[in-house]
Amino acid sequence: QQQVKQSPQSLIVQKGGIPIINCAYENTAFDYFPWYQQFPGKGPALLIAIRPDVSEKKEGRFTISFNKSAKQFSLHIMDSQPGDSATYFCAARGLNTGNQFYFGTGTSLTVIP
Amino acid sequence: NAGVTQTPKFQVLKTGQSMTLQCAQDMNHNSMYWYRQDPGMGLRLIYYSASEGTTDKGEVPNGYNVSRLNKREFSLRLESAAPSQTSVYFCASSEALGGVSGANVLTFGAGSRLTVL
Repeated sequence: QQQVKQSPQSLIVQKGGIPIINCAYENTAFDYFPWYQQFPGKGPALLIAIRPDVSEKKEGRFTISFNKSAKQFSLHIMDSQPGDSATYFCAARGLNTGNQFYFGTGTSLTVIP
Repeated sequence: NAGVTQTPKFQVLKTGQSMTLQCAQDMNHNSMYWYRQDPGMGLRLIYYSASEGTTDKGEVPNGYNVSRLNKREFSLRLESAAPSQTSVYFCASSEALGGVSGANVLTFGAGSRLTVL
């Protein structure tokens, strides 16, 4: 059973577009929500993270929006660039499961020049 | 500035063979993890070690064993490999498990691609 559901599976946008990746969860004991970026042949790397007491967090062109009541959070990439082409994973930390991280299934983003 | 180093990068095994994936980190992190990455499944936790001397099962531990050799090293062993264990394996580390969010940032290695025939 997937603890964190992520969509879409893949996404293609033009340069300058704003891709949006969505994640949803059921476990109310999740308390920390990071996003990881992975380039081909590399391990994932932390991109940005949010705690559930905050509704939005921005770091450069990357923004997380968090809706605690709906148990959903999303990643927005402003002014997307070809260099943003990568796979993006959302994750959630479970307080009642030994602080383990549960990852979404990933979104493959392609930004066309 | 190596971070997390995994060996080997690639391995092909026959069903029933055994092997060990090695992982070492040079960031003085307390916690270490082994994940597997499969298409359409994301990253799933196999085992983790919150601190030196402790190990715990993650979501998908069956068919694997781990050893936290010291603070730096965390190995993953497949005793009798099966085709279902064909995957890309990632080792990761973090300052701590739980507590303040900054200490939980996972630093991943580059991965080990394992094929079991």
